[in-house]
Amino acid sequence: AQRVTQPEKLLSVFKGAPVELKCNYSYSGSPELFWYVQYSRQRLQLLLRHISRESIKGFTADLNKGETSFHLKKPFAQEEDSAMYYCALRDSNYQLIWGAGTKLIIKP
Amino acid sequence: NAGVMQNPRHLVRRRGQEARLRCSPMKGHSHVYWYRQLPEEGLKFMVYLQKENIIDESGMPKERFSAEFPKEGPSILRIQQVVRGDSAAYFCASSTGTGLEKLFFGSGTQLSVL
Repeated sequence: AQRVTQPEKLLSVFKGAPVELKCNYSYSGSPELFWYVQYSRQRLQLLLRHISRESIKGFTADLNKGETSFHLKKPFAQEEDSAMYYCALRDSNYQLIWGAGTKLIIKP
Repeated sequence: NAGVMQNPRHLVRRRGQEARLRCSPMKGHSHVYWYRQLPEEGLKFMVYLQKENIIDESGMPKERFSAEFPKEGPSILRIQQVVRGDSAAYFCASSTGTGLEKLFFGSGTQLSVL
């Protein structure tokens, strides 16, 4: 079954500390994965996708097919990173399968 | 460009009433997606529409739920005879095509069924 799992509902780290938001997936084909972010009182928006292999706002995510993971990382957290983060997988019908989300809180 | 507009932001209905949720896609976007988010859960795909066509409604319950995207006007998600379990946040997203990386989301409608 196709599934995206974000095991942590809440992650709290201090400013300047490294951040890793976990995402594991279950998919029989070749996955295409995304991270979306929702800042307080704002809309859900695309943060990055694995195809582009880019770094946005200091965040990176590497697709690990062996571990079926797409963890989101940032070496030094900033207070403005506090938000809800959603991992999503695109299936063969071009639909998105979503994780339940992780709330990231950056403590000053 | 005001982005994807959803209204109302909050909708309260009593059991058995009808709920109508509206979504105006971004200018130039002809593809609309509806998602539902239950508390503590991720977004769940409901339906994918293009102008005047339902492309994929596999995520939408067969009964009581319907969606449309007319040639003119917003996309409408309609829930008839609402029940408490319909209480959720309903998000609409639009794009110019099937490129989901170009998906833009609305602010959502929070439906509460009393």
